[in-house]
This record gives sequence, structure tokens and C-alpha cells, in this order.
Amino acid sequence: GQQLNQSPQSMFIQEGEDVSMNCTSSSIFNTWLWYKQEPGEGPVLLIALYKAGELTSNGRLTAQFGITRKDSFLNISASIPSDVGIYFCAGPTGGSQGNLIFGKGTKLSVKP
Amino acid sequence: KAGVTQTPRYLIKTRGQQVTLSCSPISGHRSVSWYQQTPGQGLQFLFEYFSETQRNKGNFPGRFSGRQFSNSRSEMNVSTLELGDSALYLCASSFAGGKNTGELFFGEGSRLTVL
Repeated sequence: GQQLNQSPQSMFIQEGEDVSMNCTSSSIFNTWLWYKQEPGEGPVLLIALYKAGELTSNGRLTAQFGITRKDSFLNISASIPSDVGIYFCAGPTGGSQGNLIFGKGTKLSVKP
Repeated sequence: KAGVTQTPRYLIKTRGQQVTLSCSPISGHRSVSWYQQTPGQGLQFLFEYFSETQRNKGNFPGRFSGRQFSNSRSEMNVSTLELGDSALYLCASSFAGGKNTGELFFGEGSRLTVL
């Protein structure tokens, strides 16, 4: 079945550093989504990408929809302590709004 | 605008029992999806309801069921609980009335522990 592979699994960085993470799939996706989950909370959508090659920013976050439609990247610039959490890539499957497949996540820790 | 509300937040059950979890979506949202989150398997789709009808179902046994009411509130039920059912159960709602954006609004989840 479809699977999203995220890397790295975890990252320990210093405040102020830039962060890069990616997500790959053996299947083509027409939409790529990046969610963040903080402890005790549900995931929250950060960025949605709808077109191959698209580059979208949300504050210090920038995500790209790979040209092959089989990968996506998320970059965080000048990290701060509140960036701590688990970042998930996701894509729709099954043709309906609520049916997403998620990657296993990248756990980000930021040292002040 | 109130967010997605899930109850209860925490519960402990024993093997063989059943459990019912409740979800109130954001006002105006007609689609409600349920996900199971575990450290080993991550976030896995259980099912989606739209206008009181199950629209999609994930790869889970029949012990997992759900329903949606006319006010869009949803419940999920797990019968004959097993140790492996211990997980965070997340509900997510979406408007689902236009373009399929993939944007889901999640609740804080119901953490189920099966002893």
C-alpha cells in the first residue's frame, strides 16, 4: 500500500539553526501537507501544497512540492524553542477530504 | 470559533470491555474522521463520516465502528478491547464542501489505556 517515508526521525538542534526534513513516497500525490503536533495536542496544518514544483512559505517555514510528485521538503529557518514538536507529512488517499496517509514524523528538539 | 472537542480525554479499560469515544466537530464542518495514533504505527486512518454516512474506512477490524449524528457529532466504538488498542484516538473535522484541501482540524484526542 501507499507509504510516506520521513527523514530524519529526530533532530536535536541549537536555537537559531535552520532545519530541513523531507518526505518521500513510491506513489504520486497530488497534494502534500505538513502538520505539526505538540505534546498533548492534535496535529495542526502548517502548509498545504497543491502543484508540482510549488514552493510555499508560512512565516519561517517553507515547503516544496517535488517535481516528481513523489516527495516534499519542509525547511524551518532560525529555529526557536516553540518549534519543538513532531512534524508530519501527509497526503490524501481514498479520494475524500478526511482520509489522509501520514508519515511517521520527524521529532524536533530545540536547545535554547 | 470553538475547536474540535473530544471526550473523554483519558480512560482506562480492561481487556474484553468496550469503549465509546465522542467527538464534536467545528460548527459547520460536515466531515468527521477518526485516527489511531501509536508510537509504533503512527497516525492511521480509521474511518470518515459525512452526512451521517461512512464515506471511507481504514484497515481495521470490525471491532472498530463509528457513527455520525444529524448534528455532525460523531462517536466511535471499540468492542472486545485488546492490549494493542491502547492508543491516542484523534478526531478531525473538515468542511468538505468545496475543494479537497486536505486541511483537517484535529481535537486533542482521547487517550485509551487497555490493561
